[in-house]
Amino acid sequence: KNEVEQSPQNLTAQEGEFITINCSYSVGISALHWLQQHPGGGIVSLFMLSSGKKKHGRLIATINIQEKHSSLHITASHPRDSAVYICAVRERDGGATNKLIFGTGTLLAVQP
Amino acid sequence: NAGVTQTPKFRILKIGQSMTLQCTQDMNHNYMYWYRQDPGMGLKLIYYSVGAGITDKGEVPNGYNVSRSTTEDFPLRLELAAPSQTSVYFCASGAGGAHSIYGYTFGSGTRLTVV
Repeated sequence: KNEVEQSPQNLTAQEGEFITINCSYSVGISALHWLQQHPGGGIVSLFMLSSGKKKHGRLIATINIQEKHSSLHITASHPRDSAVYICAVRERDGGATNKLIFGTGTLLAVQP
Repeated sequence: NAGVTQTPKFRILKIGQSMTLQCTQDMNHNYMYWYRQDPGMGLKLIYYSVGAGITDKGEVPNGYNVSRSTTEDFPLRLELAAPSQTSVYFCASGAGGAHSIYGYTFGSGTRLTVV
């Protein structure tokens, strides 16, 4: 079992729909990251959070440390949101390495 | 501000050849990382560095080497390339330590094929 699990693996939505991507993890963490990867492109950091909720434009990320769960929401989805969304956690290992453990990603396709 | 620059973007190698993937960052970040991304898998850490002159192995270091002679540069060396090293490679950098509030910056990736 992976230490970071994402669901769903694939998601197809119609333009305008509200989208939720989930991330569960099994290790103690100091932070959780949501990343976006466009086809053939690089990786962009969307959010880093350790508690509560963050909002940036149409994107909202929440985390429940007790439940070891995070969600990424996209409101009023648009075809340009089509990408792979990756959850990654920074393990609270007591060291200074700052290493990340990655989920396998959620492939989102938003159709016009 | 270029961020993290990786070169080359694409490369085809023959089995047994060697090459160096270049990574440079201009943000004065202490922490730098090399990851590989295989289809259907999460990114796996190859090597990392917490500062100039300091490097350490990640999860999948076999077949690779790194050096960190300056804060800016963190090249990844493949010796005797094998088909199993066909992957997309990402370099990343970060400012802080384990409890840092800072995020990461990723390069645009290098797609490597070994034939």
